[in-house]
Amino acid sequence: AQSVTQPDIHITVSEGASLELRCNYSYGATPYLFWYVQSPGQGLQLLLKYFSGDTLVQGIKGFEAEFKRSQSSFNLRKPSVHWSDAAEYFCAVGAKNNDMRFGAGTRLTVKP
Amino acid sequence: GAGVSQSPRYKVAKRGQDVALRCDPISGHVSLFWYQQALGQGPEFLTYFQNEAQLDKSGLPSDRFFAERPEGSVSTLKIQRTQQEDSAVYLCASSPRPASNQPQHFGDGTRLSIL
Repeated sequence: AQSVTQPDIHITVSEGASLELRCNYSYGATPYLFWYVQSPGQGLQLLLKYFSGDTLVQGIKGFEAEFKRSQSSFNLRKPSVHWSDAAEYFCAVGAKNNDMRFGAGTRLTVKP
Repeated sequence: GAGVSQSPRYKVAKRGQDVALRCDPISGHVSLFWYQQALGQGPEFLTYFQNEAQLDKSGLPSDRFFAERPEGSVSTLKIQRTQQEDSAVYLCASSPRPASNQPQHFGDGTRLSIL
């Protein structure tokens, strides 16, 4: 079965600084990869997704992610973080049986 | 509304009581998913429906958990004889087509607290 590891439980960055959130997946075939964001008391909102093709995908709110098959990674990046980006971020991998597995999440704190 | 709607938003029950959680998916969405999210964790898959058919219930933690979607739209997750370890946020998600590359649209969840 597929699985996802997000190595960083909590990350703090200053507003305006760049951000990279790490995600490593395990899956035997070409994965479907997703990043979601969750604000307190809210459901998950899709930031971006990768299915095939260009390994650098653009998402909403200025986020991007790069799929690296050799490293089994799908790291999320943003060049300049805004205070409103503070939230919990989840990486997920989907398999052909419609079973989606989520990582444990990375909590982002943004310092003024 | 345009999104996935879950009710109630908050539910407090005493240990041993039965609870029912409701999910209204986006109209026309074929696929419906239930997840359990413990505090500080990512969502854990519980069960999946394609229309009214429950195609995967491998994530249900025990036979106290039961889900249905009788008319292929609204779904109910029922937990019988609740235990303290059932305390979590229960998320519902839907997607338009039964394909693994379809992004899932999430509701805001039901926060269940078992006393």
